[in-house]
Amino acid sequence: QVQLVESGGGVVQPGRSLRLSCAASGFAFSLYPLHWVRQAPGTGLEWVATISDDGSKQYYADSVKGRVTISGDKSKSTLSLQMNSLRVEDTAVYYCARGPPLNPLGPFDYWGQGTLVTVSS
Amino acid sequence: DIQMTQSPSTLSASVGDRVTITCRASQSISTWLAWYQLKPGKAPKLLIYKASTLESGVPSRFSGSGSGTEFTLTISSLQPDDFATYYCQQYDTYLFTFGPGTKVDIK
Repeated sequence: QVQLVESGGGVVQPGRSLRLSCAASGFAFSLYPLHWVRQAPGTGLEWVATISDDGSKQYYADSVKGRVTISGDKSKSTLSLQMNSLRVEDTAVYYCARGPPLNPLGPFDYWGQGTLVTVSS
Repeated sequence: DIQMTQSPSTLSASVGDRVTITCRASQSISTWLAWYQLKPGKAPKLLIYKASTLESGVPSRFSGSGSGTEFTLTISSLQPDDFATYYCQQYDTYLFTFGPGTKVDIK
């Protein structure tokens, strides 16, 4: 069955970097776009970044553009999110999610359970 | 960017009630709208996509309607497992946006 398992969260100081990973299984990794979505404490869901199925296109929310890089490793079926220059407002649970095959524009049909990132001094 | 709003923000209801949540987009998104259910500590769950198509495995008491800028999610008979927060999401553009959420709690 489809599984997405996030890891890499933790407590980090403002200005530092963190790399999140999402291990995917149960589907053909190279055929699906993948996304990162976050939920800050007490708030709603916020889309963060998307990578196309072939890895050639990346899309970012304005709130993270220039500080975050989404990437995929087909050989390991792993999605990553490199986050630099972290801010207190980046504190959130980060989810990875899958889109429909071969189409970055579509609903997110499977999600992981999330990993918590806390940015605090 | 397309802004999404939802109403109400909180809804108190009883088991067996019919519940309706409204979602509005700041510009037309055709039917490129999804609904998700979120419970604490669990992975978000896709309920409805393309405004009215029920995701496989989702109970038929959930239904969606609407097009353009106004959409609704209806739960025909609320069950104990349905107490959760519900989000709409537009996927008309790559700057995906979610509504602020509607929390359905026990009356």
